[in-house]
Amino acid sequence: EPEVTQTPSHQVTQMGQEVILRCVPISNHLYFYWYRQILGQKVEFLVSFYNNEISEKSEIFDDQFSVERPDGSNFTLKIRSTKLEDSAMYFCASRTTYSTDTQYFGPGTRLTVL
Amino acid sequence: SQQGEEDPQALSIQEGENATMNCSYKTSINNLQWYRQNSGRGLVHLILIRSNEREKHSGRLRVTLDTSKKSSSLLITASRAADTASYFCATDADTGKLIFGQGTTLQVKP
Repeated sequence: EPEVTQTPSHQVTQMGQEVILRCVPISNHLYFYWYRQILGQKVEFLVSFYNNEISEKSEIFDDQFSVERPDGSNFTLKIRSTKLEDSAMYFCASRTTYSTDTQYFGPGTRLTVL
Repeated sequence: SQQGEEDPQALSIQEGENATMNCSYKTSINNLQWYRQNSGRGLVHLILIRSNEREKHSGRLRVTLDTSKKSSSLLITASRAADTASYFCATDADTGKLIFGQGTTLQVKP
């Protein structure tokens, strides 16, 4: 069964450094998402992406964040200058249609900012 | 309460018993999805119920949706120790993003 994959599984970085989290969505999916989950808290929406542009972003997704689909398979989340409070599990998700289908999640990348 | 609030926050039962988790939400939805998360791991999709459906089954899972009360329930029958996890409901409105609740932590004792 096709699945969403994410790399790395765990990333440790120093405050102020740039990180890129990578995702490979399911191949025939058209809509892509990033969510994050701070330890012990609920999953929060960051951004949605369709047709090579951002469809919607949350208040969390400020100028320090960017997303890109550099080729036909990868979907990346970049944090330009990490802060301690960016430490969280970051999940990528994808689905085929706008709002009628299941959203499939990757296993997540645990980001630790020191 | 916030969109997608589950109760109880924690539930502890014996293997073989049924577990019921509830979710309430505030705005109109297209569908509601339930996910499971084992400790520190990814989100596993369990079941999706559309706004025009009232009940759905998948194996030992039964989900109901009451749009008039803006609530849903997830029933796990004949629970197993392997069902120990956190369970989240997530609502899907017009924009496509999912809004998650705080989750219910289920412990099934062998």
